[in-house]
Amino acid sequence: DVQMTQSPSSLSASVGDRVTITCRASQSITDYLNWYQQKPGKAPNLLIYAATNLQSGVPSRFSGSGSGTDFTLTISSLQPEDFATYYCQHSYRTSITFGQGTRLEIK
Amino acid sequence: QVQLHESGPGLVKPSETLSLTCAVSGHSISSSYYWGWIRQPPGKGLEWIGSIFHSGSAFYNAPLKSRVTISVDTSKNQFSLKLSSVTAADTAVYYCARERMTTVTSFDSWGQGTLVTVSS
Repeated sequence: DVQMTQSPSSLSASVGDRVTITCRASQSITDYLNWYQQKPGKAPNLLIYAATNLQSGVPSRFSGSGSGTDFTLTISSLQPEDFATYYCQHSYRTSITFGQGTRLEIK
Repeated sequence: QVQLHESGPGLVKPSETLSLTCAVSGHSISSSYYWGWIRQPPGKGLEWIGSIFHSGSAFYNAPLKSRVTISVDTSKNQFSLKLSSVTAADTAVYYCARERMTTVTSFDSWGQGTLVTVSS
């Protein structure tokens, strides 16, 4: 099975900062990679699908890049509502795997 | 707009079977989506449990496969999860979600989640 490793596991940043979160796959997964945001006590929310595609309704300050084994989620200018935990997720055929999460905290 | 709502007992005894139902509204469960279950132990990350199509075709996460059954009831527009022989390690918030199958499977709509505690 493909293993997904996110880095960092936690991150402190300030409003207005540009932030990048990385997800690395244990083998090439082409662009089979999604990103989710989860706020405390809430269900995850799909942000980016197929590595680079912005889900409908998601602010344009969120973007995704990468292919193969290395992927990034970038928030261009952090807003107060962006402090949350972010997960990458891979799927292939009948296997679905989440990364361990990156907690984004206010500095 | 699709809405999903999980329901079931919040407390299950060790060795018993956890049973949850996800009611879907605003969207036919017989459409071209899969429907999945994901769980999250307190303070930990997300774990996919399994998914099902309206035809009844299901697939499961390998480590849980021997204990999991997911079924669908198209007449009630809902799907269900059964997890047998539970232990404290199965204590988690359980989410149901709609699964969009494009080039990559993504969960584009989620229920609010329900906490299930395994304890005697």
